[in-house]
Amino acid sequence: NAGVTQTPKFQVLKTGQSMTLQCAQDMNHNSMYWYRQDPGMGLRLIYYSASEGTTDKGEVPNGYNVSRLNKREFSLRLESAAPSQTSVYFCASSEWGDNFMSETQYFGPGTRLLVL
Amino acid sequence: GQSLEQPSEVTAVEGAIVQINCTYQTSGFYGLSWYQQHDGGAPTFLSYNALDGLEETGRFSSFLSRSDSYGYLLLQELQMKDSASYFCAVLDSSYKLIFGSGTRLLVRP
Repeated sequence: NAGVTQTPKFQVLKTGQSMTLQCAQDMNHNSMYWYRQDPGMGLRLIYYSASEGTTDKGEVPNGYNVSRLNKREFSLRLESAAPSQTSVYFCASSEWGDNFMSETQYFGPGTRLLVL
Repeated sequence: GQSLEQPSEVTAVEGAIVQINCTYQTSGFYGLSWYQQHDGGAPTFLSYNALDGLEETGRFSSFLSRSDSYGYLLLQELQMKDSASYFCAVLDSSYKLIFGSGTRLLVRP
């Protein structure tokens, strides 16, 4: 049981390059999230998928796209990277109990991205 | 708009009790969560309150008042390893999980 895995762990891109961040969970959770965290800041929601087959914008979706490939996998794509996208990216998966009375959430280890 | 407010920094002495407050204004509300994050690490889930009242898990307790849009995390018998950032987060009616900007807790000997 690996929990939430993310690849790659580190990446350096040049402005304008594209890349896809991969995330997978093995806990059979319905909901998955992508966050970015800038130094000394909180987590800002980029996109989320409340259930397989659905994706929705979060607080800061511009410059990103996502794909919920199946229940396990949720990828984040940067089509044309910009220096402002330098950040740590965290993927998370959640399972909410009946009527949202309980929560179980796990985060991946993060991807550290530097855009030059 | 949506906002969560929490203090930016709190300092306490080892063995003491500390309370980290969180007030929120969001589009709908299902529950309030708390997370811990050590420097360089990933956030880890601590607690979730959907109903008013106090939830206790070991040395950590979390409280929610839905009518006041307010909650807090209470850490007892502080240990040096509790030095970390603590985030509150709200699950809103669109199933978005929105985080506050975090409270940096420094535990001194």
